[in-house]
Amino acid sequence: AQKITQTQPGMFVQEKEAVTLDCTYDTSDPSYGLFWYKQPSSGEMIFLIYQGSYDQQNATEGRYSLNFQKARKSANLVISASQLGDSAMYFCAMREGVSYIPTFGRGTSLIVHP
Amino acid sequence: KAGVTQTPRYLIKTRGQQVTLSCSPISGHRSVSWYQQTPGQGLQFLFEYFSETQRNKGNFPGRFSGRQFSNSRSEMNVSTLELGDSALYLCASSLTYQETQYFGPGTRLLVL
Repeated sequence: AQKITQTQPGMFVQEKEAVTLDCTYDTSDPSYGLFWYKQPSSGEMIFLIYQGSYDQQNATEGRYSLNFQKARKSANLVISASQLGDSAMYFCAMREGVSYIPTFGRGTSLIVHP
Repeated sequence: KAGVTQTPRYLIKTRGQQVTLSCSPISGHRSVSWYQQTPGQGLQFLFEYFSETQRNKGNFPGRFSGRQFSNSRSEMNVSTLELGDSALYLCASSLTYQETQYFGPGTRLLVL
C-alpha cells in the first residue's frame, strides 16, 4: 500500500485565491513527522512546513498552513493568497518510526494563473 | 548560513561508465540523505548517512554506493551506468536523522 497518497496530479488556482493540496498517509507507528516540499522547475526541493504526530496544533508558516486530521490520516497543505511564484510541484512526505526512512508522495502540480 | 551544495550540477555519461556525485551539507548538519528522482518512479530514497555511518538504505542495486566523511560531506557513486540511471539526484541534509531535511539543487545525470 502507498504510504503517502496525493490524489491530485494537477491543480489550477487564480492568483490571490487560496488552494488546498491533499495528502493522506498510512502508518501504524504512533511517532511520525509529515512534511511538505515545493519543487520549482529548477529542481531544488524547498521545505515548506512540518507537522509532528504529537503536535496538538496545526502547523503554520506564513502563507502555508497544514490541515492535520490525525484520525483521517490526512495532512493537507493550504496556501493562502496564491502568487504566480507558487507555481511548482508540491510533495508530501513522511518520516516514521525508529528508522525514520522518508517516503514521498508522487506530487501535485500547481499552476497559478493571473 | 549556506545551503546544501551539490556538484556537479549537470553530467553526461555513457553506459558502462561510473560517476561520483558530491554533496556538502548545511554547516552543523550531520545527516545526509540521497534520493533519485525520475518521472516514472518519482522520488526514491537511496541511502542515509549519519556521523559517517550508513543508517538506512533504499531498494537499489549494489552499483549505487555512498560514503560520508568526517566533515559530513558525502559522495555517492554509481558504477556501470545504465540508461535507466538518468535522473535528478538530490541530496538532503538535516541536523540528525529525525529532523527536517533541507535539499540541495540536485545533479542532473544523463546516461547515453
